[in-house]
Amino acid sequence: DAKTTQPPSMDCAEGRAANLPCNHSTISGNEYVYWYRQIHSQGPQYIIHGLKNNETNEMASLIITEDRKSSTLILPHATLRDTAVYYCIVRVAGFGNEKLTFGTGTRLTIIP
Amino acid sequence: DVKVTQSSRYLVKRTGEKVFLECVQDMDHENMFWYRQDPGLGLRLIYFSYDVKMKEKGDIPEGYSVSREKKERFSLILESASTNQTSMYLCASSLIQGYGFEQFFGPGTRLTVL
Repeated sequence: DAKTTQPPSMDCAEGRAANLPCNHSTISGNEYVYWYRQIHSQGPQYIIHGLKNNETNEMASLIITEDRKSSTLILPHATLRDTAVYYCIVRVAGFGNEKLTFGTGTRLTIIP
Repeated sequence: DVKVTQSSRYLVKRTGEKVFLECVQDMDHENMFWYRQDPGLGLRLIYFSYDVKMKEKGDIPEGYSVSREKKERFSLILESASTNQTSMYLCASSLIQGYGFEQFFGPGTRLTVL
């Protein structure tokens, strides 16, 4: 699986949009981009995933560049409960490739 | 509501003890996973299982074994606990969908080996 690079930490003001970047310059054509987050003392939680089109769900939006070498997770109106470590993961989809490889992620702090 | 439960949130054991960590999911998922999480190292996969009685080694299987006798239950076994196995252990499950599945995680077990 391709490696990802994320900033170690970020701050965002409450109520503003939080934009978390991820570089995955060696991503291959059959690899998906996944985002998970981990709130302190809890297990990781799935947020969103995509292949090449932008995606949106009730939690967040995922913007993937046209060359797929980077992506941005957007939390549109950050709240204090969004303070967590956010992990960007790329993974080949398909049977036998269920493993996720977590890096060290971005620690996002929402400031009141 | 989907649920992955782990038998203990906190566990303290002594060096050399045999330790069992239990994980149960109620979503009829085929896949189950055991990870450990350490500061600065992220989550690392220990073992996973595609189906009952099937298991595959992950990235760091040494010192661990697993058991999956029933679809909903996946056990992690430390045959002889050592201090370097002090860690947070996370269990997860997922469907076999091939594409776009998500993993559901339990709350974790913080194991301390003295």
